[in-house]
Amino acid sequence: NAGVTQTPKFQVLKTGQSMTLQCAQDMNHEYMSWYRQDPGMGLRLIHYSVGAGITDQGEVPNGYNVSRSTTEDFPLRLLSAAPSQTSVYFCASSTSTGDYGYTFGSGTRLTVV
Amino acid sequence: AQSVTQPDIHITVSEGASLELRCNYSYGATPYLFWYVQSPGQGLQLLLKYFSGDTLVQGNKGFEAEFKRSQSSFNLRKPSVHWSDAAEYFCAVDSQYSGGGADGLTFGKGTHLIIQP
Repeated sequence: NAGVTQTPKFQVLKTGQSMTLQCAQDMNHEYMSWYRQDPGMGLRLIHYSVGAGITDQGEVPNGYNVSRSTTEDFPLRLLSAAPSQTSVYFCASSTSTGDYGYTFGSGTRLTVV
Repeated sequence: AQSVTQPDIHITVSEGASLELRCNYSYGATPYLFWYVQSPGQGLQLLLKYFSGDTLVQGNKGFEAEFKRSQSSFNLRKPSVHWSDAAEYFCAVDSQYSGGGADGLTFGKGTHLIIQP
């Protein structure tokens, strides 16, 4: 199994550009979530989803949109990138049954200039 | 709202010495607790987790953690560190109310572990 796959690994955007960070999992997990990691801040939750068609906001949702049309995919969209969105983004998936745990992707390093 | 505090931003330990990384949480009930490790430029790898039962949890790479309800703590320990343990360590809490796994993790800000030869 590939686990959680994030693409791209690196991206440079100009202020105002839009882009979509891709996240896919092949473990049939119901739950998926997006985090951003900034120096000295740990990881902060952006958006999460408890299943296809259902999404909700986390701690830092402003400037980001998500949708969940399938169980496998949970893309994160930046509609108009700002320098404050320069960060490393991680996607995670989880099941809630039994001895569950979160599986993280390898991250996307985004720089907005 | 739940929160996690890791009081130590950096810790330096000599190779072969023992290690304890501190984690305190704020939560209304018994949470689900995790420790993750992140090597430079890498993603997060799960070290161990606590849901219920025995308060001393064994994890990967020789790490263990002890849940202390009275102190709202979940400290990570290792009896003898190796140079390869140098990394960033994150404590995290999950909500039980939603059944666990559903609405994401709340992380501490991390502790950077440096290993001296």
